[in-house]
Amino acid sequence: GNSVTQMEGPVTLSEEAFLTINCTYTATGYPSLFWYVQYPGEGLQLLLKATKADDKGSNKGFEATYRKETTSFHLEKGSVQVSDSAVYFCALSEWYGGSQGNLIFGKGTKLSVKP
Amino acid sequence: EAGVTQFPSHSVIEKGQTVTLRCDPISGHDNLYWYRRVMGKEIKFLLHFVKESKQDESGMPNNRFLAERTGGTYSTLKVQPAELEDSGVYFCASSPTGGGTDTQYFGPGTRLTVL
Repeated sequence: GNSVTQMEGPVTLSEEAFLTINCTYTATGYPSLFWYVQYPGEGLQLLLKATKADDKGSNKGFEATYRKETTSFHLEKGSVQVSDSAVYFCALSEWYGGSQGNLIFGKGTKLSVKP
Repeated sequence: EAGVTQFPSHSVIEKGQTVTLRCDPISGHDNLYWYRRVMGKEIKFLLHFVKESKQDESGMPNNRFLAERTGGTYSTLKVQPAELEDSGVYFCASSPTGGGTDTQYFGPGTRLTVL
C-alpha cells in the first residue's frame, strides 16, 4: 500500500541555518505530494504541494521538488527563522475515479530553531 | 471566508463515557475528512464524506466510532463507549469538488483525553 517515510526528529537548528527534512514515499499510482505544517497551538496548514514529477512547490522560503526517480519530496529552506519552529508533515494523496483520496502522512518532524 | 472549525477544542472524559466531536467544513466544500493522531504516531485517516454519503470509511478503527453528516453540511464523530486508546487529536478537513483541486483544509483539531 501507499506510505510516507520522513526523517524522525526532533531537529534543532540555529537561526539562519540550512534546513533539510527528508521525505520518501511509496505509491501505486501518481500521487500528489504535500508538506503540511503545524505551529504550536494551531491546526495543520498546507505549506506547499506538487502534483506531478519534477514540479517544485514553494512557499515562505521553503521548497520541495517531486522526484519520481527517487520517490522523494525533501523539504528545504536556505535560512530558517525562530518563527519556523513547528512540526512538519509530509503527505501524499491519490485520485480514485475522479474523487480525491485521503491523505497519507509521515510521522512528522519537530523543528526547533534557536536564536 | 471562514475556515474549518471544530468543537470542542479539548475534551476530557472517563473510560466508558460517550463523546461527540463536531466539524464545520468550509462553506460549499462537498468533501469532508476525519483524521486522528494518537500520541507519537502518524496522522491516520478515518473516513471521507462526499456531501452526506460515506465515500470511504476504511480507516474507522471499530464500531465504537460513528460518523454522520446529515444534510451534507457539518459532521459529527461519536465515540461510544470511549476507551483509553482513543485519546489523541482528531482533525477534520474539507475540500471542494471539481476543478482538479486536491488541497485539503484542516481545522484546529479536538484533543480528546480518555482517563
